[in-house]
Parts: sequence; structure tokens; C-alpha cells
Amino acid sequence: AQSVTQLGSHVSVSEGALVLLRCNYSSSVPPYLFWYVQYPNQGLQLLLKYTTGATLVKGINGFEAEFKKSETSFHLTKPSAHMSDAAEYFCAVDWGTSYGKLTFGQGTILTVHP
Amino acid sequence: NAGVTQTPKFQVLKTGQSMTLQCAQDMNHEYMSWYRQDPGMGLRLIHYSVGAGITDQGEVPNGYNVSRSTTEDFPLRLLSAAPSQTSVYFCASKFEETQYFGPGTRLLVL
Repeated sequence: AQSVTQLGSHVSVSEGALVLLRCNYSSSVPPYLFWYVQYPNQGLQLLLKYTTGATLVKGINGFEAEFKKSETSFHLTKPSAHMSDAAEYFCAVDWGTSYGKLTFGQGTILTVHP
Repeated sequence: NAGVTQTPKFQVLKTGQSMTLQCAQDMNHEYMSWYRQDPGMGLRLIHYSVGAGITDQGEVPNGYNVSRSTTEDFPLRLLSAAPSQTSVYFCASKFEETQYFGPGTRLLVL
């Protein structure tokens, strides 16, 4: 079955430190890949997406992600964490089906310490 | 554009009650969907629609009903609420490959 796995349900970093949130998916076929962010009691906001072309994708708020087909990964990074980055992050995959379903990872809660 | 809007923001129901969660979008997107979010499980697709008059089931459709009479609106109906339906519900509309989510409805079923 097609699945999306986010390694680590909780990640804690210090302000100014590197943020690395991991996402792996089960299929070797290049799908559409997304990262969404959810702030407390809010909806999901699109951070960035990979559809085709350059494998390093830049998003909002200084985040970027690299699509690595050989590793079936789409890890999210940010060089320097800010307190405002504290949120829950979801990796999602569109397998390209006709009904456009997104398969989500379990989510990773990012905590940023001063 | 208001984007995707959802009402109500929060609702408490008793077991067996019915209700409708409203979703609307003003972007003229053909594709709309409903997801539920539960802790540790990400979001799961309940129902989706590829255009007015066309709906279909997602992965967790039991206990829910949808209709799509207009492009703008995609309501989700709970026929007889159960405690297992306590969740946060998100509506989304899709343009090309990207889905845009509403702010969500928090539902508590007692």
C-alpha cells in the first residue's frame, strides 16, 4: 500500500539551529510532494511543493525541501529556526490518481527553544 | 478571494444527532474534498467531488454523506453522530496539483 512516513512525531531544536524534518514515501514513482504547516487551532498552510523539474524546492518562511528519488525522500529543512516556526508539519503525497487524494504522514510537532 | 471557508468553527453534538458542516470556496475550483484529522494519523479523505453533481467516497466515508449542487459549496452531513466522529474536519479545494485547506471545524460528539 502507498504510504507516507514522517520520522519523529516530535522534534525539538534551539532557536537558530538547523531544522530537519524527515519524510519518506513508499513508491518509487515520482509523485507530487507537499509540505504543509499547521499552527495551533488553525488550518493547513502550504509551505512548498514538488511537481516536476528542480529537485530542491524553496518555500515560504525560509524552508526548503529536496526530492531524492533514489531514497524516496522529501525532507524539509531550514538553516536557522525561529520561535515562530513552532507548529505541526505534515508531509503529503498526491499519487496522481484521478480522484486527487492526498496521503498524509502522521505529522511532526516542531518545538523551538529560546 | 476568501479562499476556502468552513462553518461552524466548533460544534458539540450528542450521540445520534445529525448536523451539516458547511464548506464554500470562491476560487471556482472543480475539485473539492473533505478530510478528518485525528492525532497521530495525519488527515484521511472522507469524500471528494470532481465537479457539481459528482461525488465519490474516500477512504473513511462511513457515517458521512455529501452533495455538490454548485461549484462553490460542498457540505458534509453527519447522519447520526457517534463518539468516533469526534475529530477536526477540513475541507479543501484543488487547483492543478495543489489543495488549499479551510480553517477546519472541531467536532465533539458526546
